[in-house]
Amino acid sequence: DAGITQSPRHKVTETGTPVTLRCHQTENHRYMYWYRQDPGHGLRLIHYSYGVKDTDKGEVSDGYSVSRSKTEDFLLTLESATSSQTSVYFCAISESAETQYFGPGTRLLVL
Amino acid sequence: SQQGEEDPQALSIQEGENATMNCSYKTSINNLQWYRQNSGRGLVHLILIRSNEREKHSGRLRVTLDTSKKSSSLLITASRAADTASYFCATESSSGAGSYQLTFGKGTKLSVIP
Repeated sequence: DAGITQSPRHKVTETGTPVTLRCHQTENHRYMYWYRQDPGHGLRLIHYSYGVKDTDKGEVSDGYSVSRSKTEDFLLTLESATSSQTSVYFCAISESAETQYFGPGTRLLVL
Repeated sequence: SQQGEEDPQALSIQEGENATMNCSYKTSINNLQWYRQNSGRGLVHLILIRSNEREKHSGRLRVTLDTSKKSSSLLITASRAADTASYFCATESSSGAGSYQLTFGKGTKLSVIP
């Protein structure tokens, strides 16, 4: 987990509220990713970034938006949280788009 | 959709035994990687094998890749209780749309009994 932090680590929120998760890296890696991990589904890519202000959708992007205004920060926003977005969210970084290094995760519960 | 599928879903062995996990995938790939996840933690990269490689070793890990069968295996030799974790394969597609992305399988949960 060295060089990657996620905040908050745990969050409980109510349906319909906006939520922003932050991923911060100190490695100056170009690529950053947001995944969600759910039982029975493994890890699924939500969005990724290949540079400052350069982002693209992943497999499960509906209901999520991202922003990357600085190399070190990648924000994931749930505009209006739903119970189906209860999950564990992982950020990952990569220098070469090959090997990825993962953060410690954020547990989100939407009531 | 999942690209990689691990088999078995769960595996329980005695300490000192070897553990073998398999991964099958669907499309052409640039590389295949294996990651480990301890309970409640993030994933940790173990090993990467490229599409033009057939076998790779790292310590007690041995990975094979058969691109004709679209499958890979991860062998952990002389297992230890500390190897207890979930293991995931991940593939980087060789198609333009899949570049820069990894697609993960659902994982194999390995329990090593002391």
